Amino acid sequence: DGGITQSPKYLFRKEGQNVTLSCEQNLNHDAMYWYRQDPGQGLRLIYYSQIVNDFQKGDIAEGYSVSREKKESFPLTVTSAQKNPTAFYLCASSIGRLAGGNEQFFGPGTRLTVL
Amino acid sequence: AQSVTQPDIHITVSEGASLELRCNYSYGATPYLFWYVQSPGQGLQLLLKYFSGDTLVQGIKGFEAEFKRSQSSFNLRKPSVHWSDAAEYFCAVGVKELGSQGNLIFGKGTKLSVKP
Repeated sequence: DGGITQSPKYLFRKEGQNVTLSCEQNLNHDAMYWYRQDPGQGLRLIYYSQIVNDFQKGDIAEGYSVSREKKESFPLTVTSAQKNPTAFYLCASSIGRLAGGNEQFFGPGTRLTVL
Repeated sequence: AQSVTQPDIHITVSEGASLELRCNYSYGATPYLFWYVQSPGQGLQLLLKYFSGDTLVQGIKGFEAEFKRSQSSFNLRKPSVHWSDAAEYFCAVGVKELGSQGNLIFGKGTKLSVKP
């Protein structure tokens, strides 16, 4: 079955440590996205990538980094510079650059807790 | 700047009652509009979308939404709510500007509770 997988589902990290969240899709989608979700805040865009080897900052990129070396994969690193990293992280993908008309498909999410 | 407003943070309805969730958007052109649903601890699932044409859109799980340009609204409706509809609902508008086309701007969500 085609879809998006995120791992792990739950992640615990000590303050000062970097941690990488995995996102893989087998939908053959060009575009991939990372969102952060906090209670009552909706979804906020961290980074997005519309094509392999290219990515752009979203609204809240500070303290995060990404790579897009393969079409299927878009890992997110939460660095020690992120002041308040505890949140629910969602990865999504869509077909491509069709202007705003693309449905985004979402993974099941990773809940990150900083201890 | 584009924005999406969902005025109701939390709504409670009785099972079998009708439902309307409100969504207002701010966008200069004809928007692409979406409704997603999220169960606790899960990802988002698309309920329906509007690109053009008929302003009444049918979606999955018996949901529908109506695009009203004059009111900049895209309200979600269901005639009879089931207990399994309890979830959080997000309205989103699709970005068309070069460089970020395909991105979505989300509202902050409306949590739906269903009373037996």
